[in-house]
Amino acid sequence: SQQGEEDPQALSIQEGENATMNCSYKTSINNLQWYRQNSGRGLVHLILIRSNEREKHSGRLRVTLDTSKKSSSLLITASRAADTASYFCATDAGTSGSRLTFGEGTQLTVNP
Amino acid sequence: GAVVSQHPSRVICKSGTSVKIECRSLDFQATTMFWYRQFPKKSLMLMATSNEGSKATYEQGVEKDKFLINHASLTLSTLTVTSAHPEDSSFYICSAGDRLYTEAFFGQGTRLTVV
Repeated sequence: SQQGEEDPQALSIQEGENATMNCSYKTSINNLQWYRQNSGRGLVHLILIRSNEREKHSGRLRVTLDTSKKSSSLLITASRAADTASYFCATDAGTSGSRLTFGEGTQLTVNP
Repeated sequence: GAVVSQHPSRVICKSGTSVKIECRSLDFQATTMFWYRQFPKKSLMLMATSNEGSKATYEQGVEKDKFLINHASLTLSTLTVTSAHPEDSSFYICSAGDRLYTEAFFGQGTRLTVV
């Protein structure tokens, strides 16, 4: 099974700065999703980008997808301390939908 | 988005006992549910796919007899950790999908501690 990789594994920035996280995967996909997880909590869906899309925005989030390089990036602009969390990319390659393969995640710390 | 409720959020049990975790889709019918396991500071690993009315499909390396999955209705799937051992301590999280939705909806997760 594919297993995505994310970099960096950990990122520490100051409030107001932008945070960029990258994700790579190994096989063809239907879509790629980004999730956020606060420590010890469930997952919060952030954004979904389909394989035929190249860029998507949602508020302070910007996601890009390059299927030729099998990679995606998540940009959080004007970060806030409340953005501190782990961020995971997840790919969906199947026909049943929602069977996700997760990347290793990036631990983002936004310092006030 | 749709709501998935997972219960309990935390459970502590003694070695050798069994623990049941419930995953409910509250406002939609989930034809498929997925169970993941997450170790501290690690990613989510898919354990099994649960299809309503049929046997679950387990990922390679996941013991079927250890992790019993039942999906008896379109709104409920259960994961039972049988004869739990300390190495089963982990964060277990379910997600539910439906053909109408592309994104997955996750429960809040269950922190299992086996002592």
